[in-house]
Amino acid sequence: KAGVTQTPRYLIKTRGQQVTLSCSPISGHRSVSWYQQTPGQGLQFLFEYFSETQRNKGNFPGRFSGRQFSNSRSEMNVSTLELGDSALYLCASSFAGETQYFGPGTRLLVL
Amino acid sequence: DQQVKQNSPSLSVQEGRISILNCDYTNSMFDYFLWYKKYPAEGPTFLISISSIKDKNEDGRFTVFLNKSAKHLSLHIVPSQPGDSAVYFCAAETSGSRLTFGEGTQLTVNP
Repeated sequence: KAGVTQTPRYLIKTRGQQVTLSCSPISGHRSVSWYQQTPGQGLQFLFEYFSETQRNKGNFPGRFSGRQFSNSRSEMNVSTLELGDSALYLCASSFAGETQYFGPGTRLLVL
Repeated sequence: DQQVKQNSPSLSVQEGRISILNCDYTNSMFDYFLWYKKYPAEGPTFLISISSIKDKNEDGRFTVFLNKSAKHLSLHIVPSQPGDSAVYFCAAETSGSRLTFGEGTQLTVNP
């Protein structure tokens, strides 16, 4: 089975722009979660989607949003980018919870 | 409020010896615990997990121990190999797919 894939792998944006990241889960997995990793805050949960519905949300501002499509693929969007949004964004999939398998991540740099 | 803590930022062991990585948690609602291995700029790789109804789980060279009364878990790697050198994260979740991660421990296995 193919693993979790994320596109793009690297991205450079400037402050004020918006960005969309994409995640394709492992085939058959219905849950997709997003995490942000920064040197200062570590790995932090953003949100989780299951069957196209947001099931769980972390403590991030409304500039961070996501969605899930009927094929379980997911996108996350960050609007009005700030320098502090520079991070590794990780997507993870699971069948219905519990063990999550991570993709390689998207490295976002905001200038 | 750091609900999952890995108090050792780094650990160095000799090849062939045992590596013991520790993790403490505060939230008694956590019912599933996982260990992940991570290389820089890559996604975490799932290693092993344990449900709160168990106190031990083994998978090859990896064993996870859970002490619920002490709110403590540990990962044992025997024997340690140079390829095990990476950052190890412990993670915990309640029902649902929201993982709370520790800060990570950098393991270095010296040949």
